[in-house]
Amino acid sequence: SSELTQDPSVSVALGQTVRITCQGDGLRTAYASWYQRKPGEAPLLVLYGNNDRPSGIPDRFSASLSGTTASLTITGAQAEDEADYYCNCRDSSGNHVMFGGGTKLTVL
Amino acid sequence: QVQLVESGGGVVQPGRSLRLSCEVSGFTFRTYGMHWVRQAPGKGLEWVAVIWYDGSKKYYADSVEGRFTISRDNSKDTLFLQMNSLRGDDTAIYYCARDGISMLRGVSERLDVWGPGTTVTVSS
Repeated sequence: SSELTQDPSVSVALGQTVRITCQGDGLRTAYASWYQRKPGEAPLLVLYGNNDRPSGIPDRFSASLSGTTASLTITGAQAEDEADYYCNCRDSSGNHVMFGGGTKLTVL
Repeated sequence: QVQLVESGGGVVQPGRSLRLSCEVSGFTFRTYGMHWVRQAPGKGLEWVAVIWYDGSKKYYADSVEGRFTISRDNSKDTLFLQMNSLRGDDTAIYYCARDGISMLRGVSERLDVWGPGTTVTVSS
């Protein structure tokens, strides 16, 4: 498997719930991680493994996996959540990493 | 505090070389694998290369295989990316990132600390 597919853009009303998806055959056997990238800033790891959050990431961020689709869910989206979100996982060799094309989240 | 700082970016002509560095602090560098990731203008993140914590294994994206070399100096807490035969499509912000699992004899997708990036522009 050599590709992860994300929707280019998603929007959500302030305070509502939004799900960002990442689809790829590699997700059958590999974990996905999720990154938030705001303009002018480095990417920030927000979710990894089986729905784990690094220290400091709000618990409104959660992850799930169903078949070949990984999802990042923001429950009660805030204005500061507006950013690009990227998923990644290892490829079938286990020695390379691949990223999805990214999803631009707009909070209305 | 854990910190990664890239340097060495700049403007370079096609076909020339450039060497990027990533100095780290705040953690035991020699126990973590390290990655390079780039983002071209208007594009998404692209994984470039990884090196195991002890430097014994290195892996590259197809787009840079044979042109780029990742290395590390664990005595100086520094990661490197030697980029040869540069092309226009190598123009990007280059980030170094820590593999999130220490002492891993492998590669993980969990890149838990990132530097601010250094910009490489390949142009005549």
